Amino acid sequence: RKEVEQDPGPFNVPEGATVAFNCTYSNSASQSFFWYRQDCRKEPKLLMSVYSSGNEDGRFTAQLNRASQYISLLIRDSKLSDSATYLCVVILNTGGFKTIFGAGTRLFVKA
Amino acid sequence: DTGVSQNPRHKITKRGQNVTFRCDPISEHNRLYWYRQTLGQGPEFLTYFQNEAQLEKSRLLSDRFSAERPKGSFSTLEIQRTEQGDSAMYLCASRVDKANTGELFFGEGSRLTVL
Repeated sequence: RKEVEQDPGPFNVPEGATVAFNCTYSNSASQSFFWYRQDCRKEPKLLMSVYSSGNEDGRFTAQLNRASQYISLLIRDSKLSDSATYLCVVILNTGGFKTIFGAGTRLFVKA
Repeated sequence: DTGVSQNPRHKITKRGQNVTFRCDPISEHNRLYWYRQTLGQGPEFLTYFQNEAQLEKSRLLSDRFSAERPKGSFSTLEIQRTEQGDSAMYLCASRVDKANTGELFFGEGSRLTVL
């Protein structure tokens, strides 16, 4: 079983739609959580951190459920520019901050 | 440019040859990570360093892969006796030492093609 698993995708949505991505992690030593965005043929870049209390940044909302070992990302009012791969990321509390990425969920937003 | 720098950006080699990739992290970043990414997959963890100390190497890596960070600054990733299955993008990333919640900054990657 992979340490970080995500919705397989791809998600094809029209502009203005709301889309949600899910992620589960299996290692109980997971301590910090993030969403990264990766555009085609580019390197991953941090989108936002994920906290138990929830985290909102404009149209993006991230949630963490430690009991269920579940992370989510909600994108409201999708834009064409949101088309990308969204990577769920976990940092393990193993003393060295080992950082594990999920396989990613691809989003296509169409006009 | 003070970001993470990787060289070479592209490498085409014949099966059985050795290749070496170099990563220069952001100067104040003590932690350095190597990942491998293939089409349609997320970055797969290979190894990471705190200063010059290699903290962990993925069990998925064979003995043909080795990484070093001799002075705690730049790092090299060497692949010996390359195989076609080694074809991938090799990504390097760095972060500040204290930040278990800090951002990972990636280089643009080194793309390896093994013929």
